[in-house]
Amino acid sequence: AQSVTQLDSQVPVFEEAPVELRCNYSSSVSVYLFWYVQYPNQGLQLLLKYLSGSTLVESINGFEAEFNKSQTSFHLRKPSVHISDTAEYFCAVSDSGGSQGNLIFGKGTKLSVKP
Amino acid sequence: EPEVTQTPSHQVTQMGQEVILRCVPISNHLYFYWYRQILGQKVEFLVSFYNNEISEKSEIFDDQFSVERPDGSNFTLKIRSTKLEDSAMYFCASSEEGSVYSPLHFGNGTRLTVT
Repeated sequence: AQSVTQLDSQVPVFEEAPVELRCNYSSSVSVYLFWYVQYPNQGLQLLLKYLSGSTLVESINGFEAEFNKSQTSFHLRKPSVHISDTAEYFCAVSDSGGSQGNLIFGKGTKLSVKP
Repeated sequence: EPEVTQTPSHQVTQMGQEVILRCVPISNHLYFYWYRQILGQKVEFLVSFYNNEISEKSEIFDDQFSVERPDGSNFTLKIRSTKLEDSAMYFCASSEEGSVYSPLHFGNGTRLTVT
């Protein structure tokens, strides 16, 4: 079965600094990878996903993630963070061969952006 | 933008009691899901539901749990005879289709506390 590891439970950074949130997954033949964000007192929202094609995927708010098959990683990056990026970020992988019913989530990384 | 709504936001119940967690998925969505997150742990898949039947379920989803779409709008999770370890945040989600190409939309969650 698939598994997802997010090594950092908390990442504090200053505003306008770059950030990388790490995610590694267990190897599989076909991989569908996701990053979800959870703002305080809200549900999970899809940030970006890798399904196929270009290994670099971007979100509308400046985040990007790169699928690296050799390192089985899907790290999330942003070159300059804002206070409003403070949230918990979850990496997830689909474990149902193309169905997203059974998403396997990591434990989450709490990003705290300080002024 | 349409959203998934969950009620109540917080439910407190005594051990051994039955609880029903309610969700109203997005109206044109056909696939429905329940996930849970025990405090400090990963978000875990419980069950997916399509065409009035369970399409996939995890090991967690044992006989204690059941799901139902009692009418055209609600999707419920029933937990019979609750245990202390059922205390968690329960998230409902829905999607238009069941493939990874159709994003999951999550509700804000119901925090269940079993005392």
